[in-house]
Amino acid sequence: DQQVKQNSPSLSVQEGRISILNCDYTNSMFDYFLWYKKYPAEGPTFLISISSIKDKNEDGRFTVFLNKSAKHLSLHIVPSQPGDSAVYFCAASGAQKLVFGQGTRLTINP
Amino acid sequence: GAGVSQSPRYKVAKRGQDVALRCDPISGHVSLFWYQQALGQGPEFLTYFQNEAQLDKSGLPSDRFFAERPEGSVSTLKIQRTQQEDSAVYLCASSLGTFYRGPLVYTQYFGPGTRLTVL
Repeated sequence: DQQVKQNSPSLSVQEGRISILNCDYTNSMFDYFLWYKKYPAEGPTFLISISSIKDKNEDGRFTVFLNKSAKHLSLHIVPSQPGDSAVYFCAASGAQKLVFGQGTRLTINP
Repeated sequence: GAGVSQSPRYKVAKRGQDVALRCDPISGHVSLFWYQQALGQGPEFLTYFQNEAQLDKSGLPSDRFFAERPEGSVSTLKIQRTQQEDSAVYLCASSLGTFYRGPLVYTQYFGPGTRLTVL
């Protein structure tokens, strides 16, 4: 039973445009949500997070939106840059451990 | 050190061998986690320590997997009698821990992982 899902395995965006990555979850007990970025042969790097009591958190070019009624979160990157090309994982926190989605490979085209 | 370190980075084992994977968390981080990541998948939780106490080992796939953190700092994940299905990247993460308040308590910082290949 996949509690956290990223339904798009890949996404291709032109440099300078907005990248939108989506994530759905099923467990309403999750209280914190995080996005990680992963380059090949490296561990996931923390990007941005949001508490379940908020609906938006912004950090520079990155904004995370949370829609609790839809059990949906999204990561917006604007403007997208070539260095943003990586695999992005959303994760939900429950009882300390993180539950991850399958990841979305983002490619930024020049 | 500045971040989480893991060793070895790569390990090749013959089926049936025992392996030991090491994790050095960020200094001062109370909580330590192990995850297993199969190819093309997200990391999956294995076990969790708070200081030296192993509070959750519900993700360990079998009794061949054993983790310890005897002094509340460095942790070792041991896999006995390795099988081909154990081939994966094993990730270690640490966080400040539940004694702290605020969003940072939830943020886990990951090491580079150990890629285990069982032949």
